[in-house]
Amino acid sequence: GQQLNQSPQSMFIQEGEDVSMNCTSSSIFNTWLWYKQEPGEGPVLLIALYKAGELTSNGRLTAQFGITRKDSFLNISASIPSDVGIYFCAGHPSQGGSEKLVFGKGTKLTVNP
Amino acid sequence: EPEVTQTPSHQVTQMGQEVILRCVPISNHLYFYWYRQILGQKVEFLVSFYNNEISEKSEIFDDQFSVERPDGSNFTLKIRSTKLEDSAMYFCASSEGYGTSYEQYFGPGTRLTVT
Repeated sequence: GQQLNQSPQSMFIQEGEDVSMNCTSSSIFNTWLWYKQEPGEGPVLLIALYKAGELTSNGRLTAQFGITRKDSFLNISASIPSDVGIYFCAGHPSQGGSEKLVFGKGTKLTVNP
Repeated sequence: EPEVTQTPSHQVTQMGQEVILRCVPISNHLYFYWYRQILGQKVEFLVSFYNNEISEKSEIFDDQFSVERPDGSNFTLKIRSTKLEDSAMYFCASSEGYGTSYEQYFGPGTRLTVT
């Protein structure tokens, strides 16, 4: 089945540093999405990517949809303490008619003030 | 800003009991979903619902699970006879419709504890 491999599993950084995390798969995905989850809450949509090669920004966040449609990365610039949380990539499989999102295992981000 | 709401926030039940988890999706959305997240693990798809019927379900969504949209606003997940391994966070999500259906917005979740 489709699986998303997300790395790194966790990151410990200092406030102000830039962060990069990525997601890869052996399968093609039509859409990539990045979510952030804080403790005890639901995933919050950060960025959605629809076209191979697409680069999209949302404030200090930038994400790209890989050319092969099998990978995506998320960058956070100038991190701040409220960036703490678990970041999940999610993909919409290319098989026809499927509406489900497949999630990666997440990258846990800790920001030291 | 419109948001998905879920009740209760925490449900404790005994093994073998039935539970109903409730969700109010965003009002103009047409697609509804249930996902679950076992503690410390990734979010897993359970079922999608469109036009008053199930459009897709995962292998997790067996005969013990059912979904319903009993009125114009609520969307429910029923587990008929809970098992210990059903303990998880259950998230409801909704999306606008075809073309933007991949942008799914999640509720805050219901933590289900089966004892």
